[in-house]
Amino acid sequence: GAVVSQHPSWVICKSGTSVKIECRSLDFQATTMFWYRQFPKQSLMLMATSNEGSKATYEQGVEKDKFLINHASLTLSTLTVTSAHPEDSSFYICSALYSGNNEQFFGPGTRLTVL
Amino acid sequence: KNQVEQSPQSLIILEGKNCTLQCNYTVSPFSNLRWYKQDTGRGPVSLTIMTFSENTKSNGRYTATLDADTKQSSLHITASQLSDSASYICVVSAKGAAGKSTFGDGTTLTVKP
Repeated sequence: GAVVSQHPSWVICKSGTSVKIECRSLDFQATTMFWYRQFPKQSLMLMATSNEGSKATYEQGVEKDKFLINHASLTLSTLTVTSAHPEDSSFYICSALYSGNNEQFFGPGTRLTVL
Repeated sequence: KNQVEQSPQSLIILEGKNCTLQCNYTVSPFSNLRWYKQDTGRGPVSLTIMTFSENTKSNGRYTATLDADTKQSSLHITASQLSDSASYICVVSAKGAAGKSTFGDGTTLTVKP
């Protein structure tokens, strides 16, 4: 199957700082990528849909100014958590949509801990 | 409202035994249904993907079934191994939804020796 990578795999930061997470589709181009967050023992919650070359579409309740998404190329989307707070600590997962069969391929996730 | 419900919420079985996980959905119009395996602290990994015309698909010891009429799917795991311990997530996509999918809450499977 297609491979999606995320970087970093884990990050610890101080409250008030910003953190950038990268999502790359390694062997296919993805005009659409998705960002999820997952709390322990819960399912993935869609945060936003990232479209190459245009603004991201955010789900209800997700602050677009806090979670900045940039999809600058067909293989890279970034999520920046601005002014992070301890409640932002979570597991962030991206996925890339393979247009050939409309299948989503997920990245390995990024564990964010805000102290 | 599109919904995906999975059962059971959790399951414990002995190594070597078989088990079946259930997924009921109300997503419409239906495009495809996927089963993912998610190990703790990892991203989901695709097991099977089925479209409307497919009613069974296998991937090694994993066999998924789909009944589009009753809007039910099952994932059958045969000869379970300790490494099968994970969360299994059913994901259903609607046509024309630009890839947005509806996720089930997952079934947590624990395989004990």
